[in-house]
Amino acid sequence: AQSVTQPDIHITVSEGASLELRCNYSYGATPYLFWYVQSPGQGLQLLLKYFSGDTLVQGIKGFEAEFKRSQSSFNLRKPSVHWSDAAEYFCAVAPTYNNNDMRFGAGTRLTVKP
Amino acid sequence: NAGVMQNPRHLVRRRGQEARLRCSPMKGHSHVYWYRQLPEEGLKFMVYLQKENIIDESGMPKERFSAEFPKEGPSILRIQQVVRGDSAAYFCASSPPGGGDEAFFGQGTRLTVV
Repeated sequence: AQSVTQPDIHITVSEGASLELRCNYSYGATPYLFWYVQSPGQGLQLLLKYFSGDTLVQGIKGFEAEFKRSQSSFNLRKPSVHWSDAAEYFCAVAPTYNNNDMRFGAGTRLTVKP
Repeated sequence: NAGVMQNPRHLVRRRGQEARLRCSPMKGHSHVYWYRQLPEEGLKFMVYLQKENIIDESGMPKERFSAEFPKEGPSILRIQQVVRGDSAAYFCASSPPGGGDEAFFGQGTRLTVV
């Protein structure tokens, strides 16, 4: 079964600084990969997804992620963080067959300092 | 097209009572997933259902928890004889038939056991 690891439980960055959130997955083939964001008290919103093709994917709110097959990673990046980016971020993986059995990482909480 | 609807948004139960959480997937979606989010923890997969079928319940506790997704009506997550440790946010997500599409999340039901 697929699994996802987000090594960083909590990250603090200054507003305007760059951000990288790590995500590693375990799966026998190339899965479908996702990043979601959860604001306090809210559900999850999709930031971006990777199915195939270009390994650098662009998402909403200025986020991007890069799929690296050799490292089984799908790290999320943003060049300049805004205070409104403070939230919980979840990486998720789903298998590539006709099944949407999606599994999530434990999440990374982002705090943005003024 | 309404999003994934969960109700109630907040539910308070006394220890020993039953909790019923409802999830209406997006129109056209036949796959439903339930996740539990404990305070200060990430999302934990509980169960994956398609209409009238449980596909994967590997994340469900063996006792007191059950889920269904009938042919008609919403998906129901039922927790019998609730205990304080069941207090959490329960999220439902849905996705269309086929593989790899993103899952859309509801805003969750926050269960408090007193």
